[in-house]
Amino acid sequence: ETGVTQSPTHLIKTRGQQVTLRCSSQSGHNTVSWYQQALGQGPQFIFQYYREEENGRGNFPPRFSGLQFPNYSSELNVNALELDDSALYLCASSEGLAPQGGANVLTFGAGSRLTVL
Amino acid sequence: GESVGLHLPTLSVQEGDNSIINCAYSNSASDYFIWYKQESGKGPQFIIDIRSNMDKRQGQRVTVLLNKTVKHLSLQIAATQPGDSAVYFCAERVGTYKYIFGTGTRLKVLA
Repeated sequence: ETGVTQSPTHLIKTRGQQVTLRCSSQSGHNTVSWYQQALGQGPQFIFQYYREEENGRGNFPPRFSGLQFPNYSSELNVNALELDDSALYLCASSEGLAPQGGANVLTFGAGSRLTVL
Repeated sequence: GESVGLHLPTLSVQEGDNSIINCAYSNSASDYFIWYKQESGKGPQFIIDIRSNMDKRQGQRVTVLLNKTVKHLSLQIAATQPGDSAVYFCAERVGTYKYIFGTGTRLKVLA
């Protein structure tokens, strides 16, 4: 069973540029969530994709967008990069949607470290 | 590797002792909670979970306690080992898709 893989592991961009980050979900998982983790903080929810559609979104502007593909892999796109976008971007996959009151473990990848100069 | 959390609260524990990491959560409607461990250069790794209809759950060397009255979670690690050194996060599920993570606690195991 393969885990969650993300690419690239590190990248450097300049303000105003655009970036695409990629994620392959764990085998058997059809739901992908993206989180942003700034240095010294806990991960913050960006959005979740289920069956190729956005299923929920956190408090992030529209320049953060995503896609999910038929094989459940996913992309996170960020346009018009700002200095504050520098962070570790984490992808997490899970098996289906969370049942009310039930267990639904997120399995995380190692992340993509984005530096915006 | 890169550092996860330069200014986090730190708990220093002697190897072999028990560790207790605490977490206050924010939403009384949260129905499910997870503890994650994050080592430098890695993503969060699942440790143990608990549903809101429980107040205690045990795993291998770890126990999670949930006090819904005061919105408090704790993670107890028995016989702490050097490999337990990491940053620990609690996460609460709000609604059906969003997890809110705490600020994290760095655990240092002293030899």
